[in-house]
Amino acid sequence: EVQLVESGGVVVQPGGSLRLSCAASGFTFDDYTMHWVRQAPGKGLEWVSLISWDGGSTYYADSVKGRFTISRDNSKNSLYLQMNSLRTEDTALYYCAKEAYDSSGFIDYWGQGTLVTVSS
Amino acid sequence: DIVMTQTPLSLSVTPGQPASISCKSSQSLLHSDGKTYLYWYLQKPGQSPQLLIYEVSNRFSGVPDRFSGSGSGTDFTLKISRVEAEDVGVYYCMQSIQPSWTFGQGTKLEIK
Repeated sequence: EVQLVESGGVVVQPGGSLRLSCAASGFTFDDYTMHWVRQAPGKGLEWVSLISWDGGSTYYADSVKGRFTISRDNSKNSLYLQMNSLRTEDTALYYCAKEAYDSSGFIDYWGQGTLVTVSS
Repeated sequence: DIVMTQTPLSLSVTPGQPASISCKSSQSLLHSDGKTYLYWYLQKPGQSPQLLIYEVSNRFSGVPDRFSGSGSGTDFTLKISRVEAEDVGVYYCMQSIQPSWTFGQGTKLEIK
């Protein structure tokens, strides 16, 4: 059974930093592109970032480019999101998500999310 | 980035009646590889999103056949032939033809 478990969400002040983690199990982690998607309270879904199976390719939404860094450790079946220069508008539930297969263009499994609150 | 525009933003439907959601993209989602990178997700209350339809019209595993998708280029539609109580939630279209994926604003479906 595929499982994606996010952690690391806390309350942080504007301008602060935070690192989210996602522990993956139930599939061959290093075969798949992984994503972060967020959802502000009461709002819609916003794609944040993706990383290819080997970490060689990464992409970001314009809203986080230059502030967030996605990475992975295939030896630990883990995905990360380093978040710097946090803003109040980064407050959201952050989902870790698995792409269905290489270049499929869609997510087939989602975690339950970890909540990041940026507030003074 | 490609902008995805959904209409309506909310829908109230009597059980057993049909429902339809439109999604328009600011650029064509037809790729040179022949695939159209348009997807539909449903987020039920309190849950993570779940995939309904991939590449415009293909139902994902386990999705009831009352859900169908259609369209091409920049105009797409999700239809529910007979709405059931379990269909409540927010429906999102999504594009992934570009590396920076984008979602529509969401359409909230409620039951009358």
